[in-house]
Amino acid sequence: GNSVTQMEGPVTLSEEAFLTINCTYTATGYPSLFWYVQYPGEGLQLLLKATKADDKGSNKGFEATYRKETTSFHLEKGSVQVSDSAVYFCALSDRSMNYGGSQGNLIFGKGTKLSVKP
Amino acid sequence: DGGITQSPKYLFRKEGQNVTLSCEQNLNHDAMYWYRQDPGQGLRLIYYSQIVNDFQKGDIAEGYSVSREKKESFPLTVTSAQKNPTAFYLCASSVGVGLARSGAGELFFGEGSRLTVL
Repeated sequence: GNSVTQMEGPVTLSEEAFLTINCTYTATGYPSLFWYVQYPGEGLQLLLKATKADDKGSNKGFEATYRKETTSFHLEKGSVQVSDSAVYFCALSDRSMNYGGSQGNLIFGKGTKLSVKP
Repeated sequence: DGGITQSPKYLFRKEGQNVTLSCEQNLNHDAMYWYRQDPGQGLRLIYYSQIVNDFQKGDIAEGYSVSREKKESFPLTVTSAQKNPTAFYLCASSVGVGLARSGAGELFFGEGSRLTVL
């Protein structure tokens, strides 16, 4: 079945450091891929998404590229800030947006906690 | 502003009691979801509903029940049969099924309800 594997945390970085959080997936068909962020005590917010191979999602300085050949969707940011401290979840949809709509149900990775120190 | 409202934010329950968590959305979304979040385990799907008066079990439905009498509302009842109910519960919604609409596959989350069994 479909699954998402992301690197275990916690990840601790200094401000302005480069961030990579690895995410790989297993899926049949053509899933859409997402990164969500959860700030302390809150629900999840969509950070970025990509719907087909080679698409790059980007938002707030974060980027991730949908790599079908390596089944990966790694999250990167060139210079992290203290305000980026949160838990990051990689997710895939079990049906692609390009196939007549999506049930919308997502399969999530276990989350990676990021702490950025000043 | 459109969004998802969960209540209560914090809830304490004695063993053997049923409790109901509220989830209301004004996004005009067809699909709604309940997830459970435990430390280190990511999000697990409890129930979801694609349309009014219809809902489906997710991966961990045992000990939970839901109803979907109105499009805007999807309450979750944690019954006494749920053996380990202490957790953070997240409600979400999405555009839904049937059409390849922009945003399909993207989930919008509430801020969560933290249930503690005493």
